[in-house]
Amino acid sequence: SAVISQKPSRDICQRGTSLTIQCQVDSQVTMMFWYRQQPGQSLTLIATANQGSEATYESGFVIDKFPISRPNLTFSTLTVSNMSPEDSSIYLCSGGQGESTDTQYFGPGTRLTVL
Amino acid sequence: EDQVTQSPEALRLQEGESSSLNCSYTVSGLRGLFWYRQDPGKGPEFLFTLYSAGEEKEKERLKATLTKKESFLHITAPKPEDSATYLCAVLPYMDTGRRALTFGSGTRLQVQP
Repeated sequence: SAVISQKPSRDICQRGTSLTIQCQVDSQVTMMFWYRQQPGQSLTLIATANQGSEATYESGFVIDKFPISRPNLTFSTLTVSNMSPEDSSIYLCSGGQGESTDTQYFGPGTRLTVL
Repeated sequence: EDQVTQSPEALRLQEGESSSLNCSYTVSGLRGLFWYRQDPGKGPEFLFTLYSAGEEKEKERLKATLTKKESFLHITAPKPEDSATYLCAVLPYMDTGRRALTFGSGTRLQVQP
């Protein structure tokens, strides 16, 4: 299994600003993903973070709003840009080995509130 | 489009009262089905992966089963510490190698002492 940590755990931000969330895995993982979980709802995939190439975004999510970096096999960042109150949510990253195992392990999440 | 439907939305049990949670799925080809447990304010915790119809996995008071259209999470003699939201997710076969999960909306389980 993989142990995943995220920073910050929570933040309160002003409208129009940006926040970068960090995701660190304790071992090398092939796949890393970013999800959003709005209050009382399930997880929605934002994008797949690909090491060494651009992230792959799901329908409804764009790079200008959610730029992602993945500089190596243990680390990724998600930036929430030009925030509005509708971006208030929990942001979760996950990691998995991909071909050797399909199981994804999740971080504790970042609770974002935009005022 | 892949779909995952979980029922019931919420379930309240007395301690020791066994029950089952359902996860129905529609996917073009199933690579795997996953169960997670999520406590309030925390990320999902992995429980089980099921790959083929007829497969069963057990862990303590939990047992997960899989058919071609649905999965069940059976909870035997639950305890208050089993209270959580249980999430089901599917991973379809994709020629592109995409590994993204599609999640259901979850079942909120409350076990009362």
